[in-house]
Amino acid sequence: AQTVTQSQPEMSVQEAETVTLSCTYDTSESDYYLFWYKQPPSRQMILVIRQEAYKQQNATENRFSVNFQKAAKSFSLKISDSQLGDAAMYFCAYRSAAKTYGGSQGNLIFGKGTKLSVKP
Amino acid sequence: EPEVTQTPSHQVTQMGQEVILRCVPISNHLYFYWYRQILGQKVEFLVSFYNNEISEKSEIFDDQFSVERPDGSNFTLKIRSTKLEDSAMYFCASRMRANTEAFFGQGTRLTVV
Repeated sequence: AQTVTQSQPEMSVQEAETVTLSCTYDTSESDYYLFWYKQPPSRQMILVIRQEAYKQQNATENRFSVNFQKAAKSFSLKISDSQLGDAAMYFCAYRSAAKTYGGSQGNLIFGKGTKLSVKP
Repeated sequence: EPEVTQTPSHQVTQMGQEVILRCVPISNHLYFYWYRQILGQKVEFLVSFYNNEISEKSEIFDDQFSVERPDGSNFTLKIRSTKLEDSAMYFCASRMRANTEAFFGQGTRLTVV
């Protein structure tokens, strides 16, 4: 079974600085999707960024980028120019591509999350 | 922008009572999910639903749970006889196609007393 590990329960960053959140995963599959979701105090889950495992290029969305290391099974999130509104729980998630296209419909497997604080 | 809508936002129920959590997925989405997040813990998959049937369920999704899509728009999660440990945030999510990302609702906080 696949697992997702976020080893940093809490992180803190100064406003306008850069922070990197770590995520590792374990899988025997070669094709899958990886996601970072943000959960602000309102507790809604908001997609930040996604990465397809078959793509070598790291995904980027404005101030958010990932460092995807497939061989190391590592998927870290870098937040540049941190803003107060970035303060939230961040969850790394995995989805099997085989399950996505196969009989079951591709549920997400989440890590335990990292709580990010942004200091003004 | 289309969004997944969940009602109610907060529900308090007595142990042993039945509850129904409601979700309206994004209208052209085909895949539907329920997830649960116990306070302070990670988000856990409960069940996926496609083509009017359950496609996968986790160990958490026992006989006390059921899902329905009664009218082509609503997607409901029923807990027949709630336990204290069912207290959690319940998230509905939907996805359009196989290779697209899931969009989550804002969640329903269920408190069992």
